[in-house]
Amino acid sequence: DSGVTQTPKHLITATGQRVTLRCSPRSGDLSVYWYQQSLDQGLQFLIQYYNGEERAKGNILERFSAQQFPDLHSELNLSSLELGDSALYFCASSAGTPSYEQYFGPGTRLTVT
Amino acid sequence: QKEVEQDPGPLSVPEGAIVSLNCTYSNSAFQYFMWYRQYSRKGPELLMYTYSSGNKEDGRFTAQVDKSSKYISLFIRDSQPSDSATYLCAMRRGATNKLIFGTGTLLAVQP
Repeated sequence: DSGVTQTPKHLITATGQRVTLRCSPRSGDLSVYWYQQSLDQGLQFLIQYYNGEERAKGNILERFSAQQFPDLHSELNLSSLELGDSALYFCASSAGTPSYEQYFGPGTRLTVT
Repeated sequence: QKEVEQDPGPLSVPEGAIVSLNCTYSNSAFQYFMWYRQYSRKGPELLMYTYSSGNKEDGRFTAQVDKSSKYISLFIRDSQPSDSATYLCAMRRGATNKLIFGTGTLLAVQP
């Protein structure tokens, strides 16, 4: 158990809908990272927050947004969902930034029908 | 062309074998190299990291980085069925937080 928690574990929704994925980092970690893992693209970095501020951006679509709250938990919002957004979404956390040692949560499996 | 290339496998070996997993990359700016292990339906977990070139050993695992060839390897000695998982290489430049992952190699160690 990495200490990173993610909810929900599974999410099934329809195209065009909006969902929110939640992540709680390990105790004491200030950085939160979001990744998308699909069969064809592998694990792709989406975005990183450090102590409430956006620090790095990867291949995140404009339909997706994230934020980190004062208690350090983070939410990833996915809107106008498309079939191709079906994937595993992982959150990771680390103590500082930059950091090689990112601890991953168990992931949220999103299925868009 | 992807920045990081990794043979997806699957790779099947008998218990006790030495396993060699490899990645190649194209961006010479990468300085930090990592190997993650991902069991089915779980998140990736960090196995090893190395900075720049050289070798690093941790128990049955050895990571090698050859920056001149843009090639990294993970060796697993005395492989066990519990090593069966997907192994992901990852790398990043010095001051960035963005990890670039390989697509992963699925390893099956047969008892």
